[in-house]
Amino acid sequence: DAGVTQSPTHLIKTRGQQVTLRCSPKSGHDTVSWYQQALGQGPQFIFQYYEEEERQRGNFPDRFSGHQFPNYSSELNVNALLLGDSALYLCASSLGRSDTQYFGPGTRLTVL
Amino acid sequence: GQQLNQSPQSMFIQEGEDVSMNCTSSSIFNTWLWYKQEPGEGPVLLIALYKAGELTSNGRLTAQFGITRKDSFLNISASIPSDVGIYFCAGQAVSQGGSEKLVFGKGTKLTVNP
Repeated sequence: DAGVTQSPTHLIKTRGQQVTLRCSPKSGHDTVSWYQQALGQGPQFIFQYYEEEERQRGNFPDRFSGHQFPNYSSELNVNALLLGDSALYLCASSLGRSDTQYFGPGTRLTVL
Repeated sequence: GQQLNQSPQSMFIQEGEDVSMNCTSSSIFNTWLWYKQEPGEGPVLLIALYKAGELTSNGRLTAQFGITRKDSFLNISASIPSDVGIYFCAGQAVSQGGSEKLVFGKGTKLTVNP
């Protein structure tokens, strides 16, 4: 039973660039949520995708966008990167929008 | 962003000791969750609580969903070196839209001395 997978594991970008992170949900799950975890902090909710639509959004600017594909996998896109975007980006999947969320290992993004 | 009040921030204990940490919120939640995160990894679910007053165990771990639905605690009995990590509480409400984000605490960093 495959768990949540994310790619890449690490990424280094420079200010102003854009980045795409990918997530495959746990087998049988249909909902993907994205979180940003800054160093020393708890994860902060970015948005949630269900049925290929963004269903809920946290307090993040429009530079953060996403997509969900028919196979339930998801992408997180961040445009015009800022130094403050450096963080661990976590993907969590669930069966349904309110069910228990299981996390992937994360993608460590460093913006120089 | 919104965060829960989790305490203590860090704990240094001897192997074999019991550990207790808690989380409080100004908001009501329908679900309380406890996760453990190790360096370079994503959070791993330890215990999920779905009902006010519920007391649930998972091996040496015991967690409770507070009666007011605004708090939860996690106890670890007879700690061992592999308990080292950062423990996060998370609350989840249910919105009218049916979907709901997780709101996390800042974490409790646990160090166990052999």
